[in-house]
Amino acid sequence: GQQLNQSPQSMFIQEGEDVSMNCTSSSIFNTWLWYKQDPGEGPVLLIALYKAGELTSNGRLTAQFGITRKDSFLNISASIPSDVGIYFCAGDSGGSNYKLTFGKGTLLTVNP
Amino acid sequence: NAGVTQTPKFRILKIGQSMTLQCTQDMNHNYMYWYRQDPGMGLKLIYYSVGAGITDKGEVPNGYNVSRSTTEDFPLRLELAAPSQTSVYFCASRGTGTGWAFFGQGTRLTVV
Repeated sequence: GQQLNQSPQSMFIQEGEDVSMNCTSSSIFNTWLWYKQDPGEGPVLLIALYKAGELTSNGRLTAQFGITRKDSFLNISASIPSDVGIYFCAGDSGGSNYKLTFGKGTLLTVNP
Repeated sequence: NAGVTQTPKFRILKIGQSMTLQCTQDMNHNYMYWYRQDPGMGLKLIYYSVGAGITDKGEVPNGYNVSRSTTEDFPLRLELAAPSQTSVYFCASRGTGTGWAFFGQGTRLTVV
């Protein structure tokens, strides 16, 4: 099956720092998604990317769909304590079943 | 709108017991999914459905069954619970043409 490699696995940063995480795939995706999961909750969509090269922002978050369609990154600027959580990338290769493949997640800890 | 609702939120089962995890969505989405989340492993697809009456296996279907008699409901059945099924289970739904899935809050299942 398809594999998504997400890195880093975890990050410990100070409040105010910028954060970057990325995902790479062994195959092409038509859509890249970034989700955040708070403790005890389900994942919530942060950003959706639909075209190769697309750069999209959502407040302090910026994500890009790689030109090769095999990678994506997420940046968080000026981190705050509520940014703590697990961030997942997900890819959709298309097709009629709309299945998503998820990365293993990046655990972000922000020290106030 | 309630979105995707899962019940129960927590459950402890004994080995060999059976149970059904309930999932319902009120967004009239055709596509519904069951994932399991194990620590550090991301989300693995168990079963999915592209519409009422149609289901198919995902990545890790063994030990589970599903049915989809209505658009709204997609229950997941565990027939003979095993310790390996201790996990957090997430139900998700997705509309046609949208690139992303909406998740429920999860069911934390422990098999002892």
